[in-house]
Amino acid sequence: AQKITQTQPGMFVQEKEAVTLDCTYDTSDPSYGLFWYKQPSSGEMIFLIYQGSYDQQNATEGRYSLNFQKARKSANLVISASQLGDSAMYFCAMREGRQGGSEKLVFGKGTKLTVNP
Amino acid sequence: KAGVTQTPRYLIKTRGQQVTLSCSPISGHRSVSWYQQTPGQGLQFLFEYFSETQRNKGNFPGRFSGRQFSNSRSEMNVSTLELGDSALYLCASSPGQPPYNEQFFGPGTRLTVL
Repeated sequence: AQKITQTQPGMFVQEKEAVTLDCTYDTSDPSYGLFWYKQPSSGEMIFLIYQGSYDQQNATEGRYSLNFQKARKSANLVISASQLGDSAMYFCAMREGRQGGSEKLVFGKGTKLTVNP
Repeated sequence: KAGVTQTPRYLIKTRGQQVTLSCSPISGHRSVSWYQQTPGQGLQFLFEYFSETQRNKGNFPGRFSGRQFSNSRSEMNVSTLELGDSALYLCASSPGQPPYNEQFFGPGTRLTVL
């Protein structure tokens, strides 16, 4: 069974508008971490934001915020005020287990975001 | 602080050859993980090394191996290359222990097997 599901293969957004990229996950471990990465066409994976399973607040990093709904097992990425440079593939990933056990990440298939001028 | 470096960035090999890829993590990070990215299979975990010990391993054949040195630099080796090994190989660097959560990736090595 897929552990990370990203249901949107592609998304389009107008420059300066906000966009939400969906991510749902599946785990029975009470301790886990959720990551979002951006991958431009160059191939490098750029870390955007992290949410721990025990974190009470939704994570935010500049224009990025994570809408964490634990009961629904969803961790959607919200990008506010989109910029042309935001056009890229976006991956949601999960690390299961307590911190310090293993750094293994399980990735979703990604969402290709295109920002239109 | 310097980022994660991977060498070489591009590599072309023929079937049956072997290849060694290198990853230098961020200074102070003790964990290095390796991933294979292909259009068909997406991003798949190969293995993780922490303080010179393999801490976790993905579901790849024994042709894929790795190691980590005392300075945390890591190498992965693929022997008897197959066409299907053509991929982007990414390594991730992290402190590997609480309370740190970040994992930073290198630019990747793009391997083409002819």
